Amino acid sequence: GEDVEQSLFLSVREGDSSVINCTYTDSSSTYLYWYKQEPGAGLQLLTYIFSNMDMKQDQRLTVLLNKKDKHLSLRIADTQTGDSAIYFCAESGRSSNTGKLIFGQGTTLQVKP
Amino acid sequence: GAVVSQHPSRVICKSGTSVKIECRSLDFQATTMFWYRQFPKQSLMLMATSNEGSKATYEQGVEKDKFLINHASLTLSTLTVTSAHPEDSSFYICSASLVDREQFFGPGTRLTVL
Repeated sequence: GEDVEQSLFLSVREGDSSVINCTYTDSSSTYLYWYKQEPGAGLQLLTYIFSNMDMKQDQRLTVLLNKKDKHLSLRIADTQTGDSAIYFCAESGRSSNTGKLIFGQGTTLQVKP
Repeated sequence: GAVVSQHPSRVICKSGTSVKIECRSLDFQATTMFWYRQFPKQSLMLMATSNEGSKATYEQGVEKDKFLINHASLTLSTLTVTSAHPEDSSFYICSASLVDREQFFGPGTRLTVL
């Protein structure tokens, strides 16, 4: 079935780069997303990538997609303490026309000053 | 940007009572709204998908008589947790989307059932 896996925790020092990894199983996914969730809040869309792209860059964020290995990563350059949050990757899955998203477990990013 | 609100943000109720949570798209008309449930330190689990004016589509394992969803207009969907029990305590998040567009998430509702 459809499944998305992430590592649960990442700790970095302020100013370093953070790389959060995600693997997925559904090769038919049209879109792959990265969301950020701060404590007690909803989800904020950070960026997304079309499945026919390899890379997308948006300011400090770089998304890399390896479609062959079904591996997605989010790199945050010059990580700040305000980047501390839970990061979810999500795929649109087989039913992409319904808008349904399949989420990973979330990676907690801890940024140490 | 598109804004989705939820009300209430936090609710505490006694076991056996029903609780209604509202989800509103404030500045756009949403063709589809989604309801998710999130347990502490866990991912979002999709409960149901609702389209305006039609019955909600529930995910496997979600009791439709327990979690009533009404999508009365293009800007409002409600989730009613009927006869709530402590195991229903969770963080409920809605999202709203346009056709083929991204989902915009609400801030969530923390439900605690005593």
